[in-house]
Amino acid sequence: QKEVEQDPGPLSVPEGAIVSLNCTYSNSAFQYFMWYRQYSRKGPELLMYTYSSGNKEDGRFTAQVDKSSKYISLFIRDSQPSDSATYLCAMSALLGAGGTSYGKLTFGQGTILTVHP
Amino acid sequence: GAGVSQSPRYKVAKRGQDVALRCDPISGHVSLFWYQQALGQGPEFLTYFQNEAQLDKSGLPSDRFFAERPEGSVSTLKIQRTQQEDSAVYLCASSFSVKTRTNYGYTFGSGTRLTVV
Repeated sequence: QKEVEQDPGPLSVPEGAIVSLNCTYSNSAFQYFMWYRQYSRKGPELLMYTYSSGNKEDGRFTAQVDKSSKYISLFIRDSQPSDSATYLCAMSALLGAGGTSYGKLTFGQGTILTVHP
Repeated sequence: GAGVSQSPRYKVAKRGQDVALRCDPISGHVSLFWYQQALGQGPEFLTYFQNEAQLDKSGLPSDRFFAERPEGSVSTLKIQRTQQEDSAVYLCASSFSVKTRTNYGYTFGSGTRLTVV
């Protein structure tokens, strides 16, 4: 079983809908939680970053982390066709193997989102 | 340039051929990561450099994979005797930071898509 599980979708919604994307994880050492957006044939770009449990809002995007349940979410309000992409959750531990602490990321599989006009 | 540059963008190799993939990180970025992204999957960690030092190579799948960053800037990922299972997108990312708590702000390149036939 993978350390980070993410429903690959695909997810198709109409413009203006609220989108909910989720990941679960098994490694309790993860403390840093990120959401990346990846357009076709491009590298991932950072959308949201959250440390430990709690919520964070940035414009139309809200990230939630529930460490007790090992569950993170990304909500997109008023979704737009330009939001169509693959959304990847990613996590890192404060300390990696051997006590290193440089920020190695463990990614989920990615969810393919299409927002149609 | 302002971003992470990877070359070539596409590479087709015959099985058994050696390949070299290049990454030009953002100038001054200390940390450099290589990730492998198979079709329909999230990126998986391969190796990490802090300046010219390779601090973690735990993700390299076999001894056919070798990475270097001799002057602490440009990095090359070399794959010897390529196999079909090596077909994937190879992503490079760089960051100014060396610590997990601030090293979430990776900038990824667009990747090199390797196809082994």
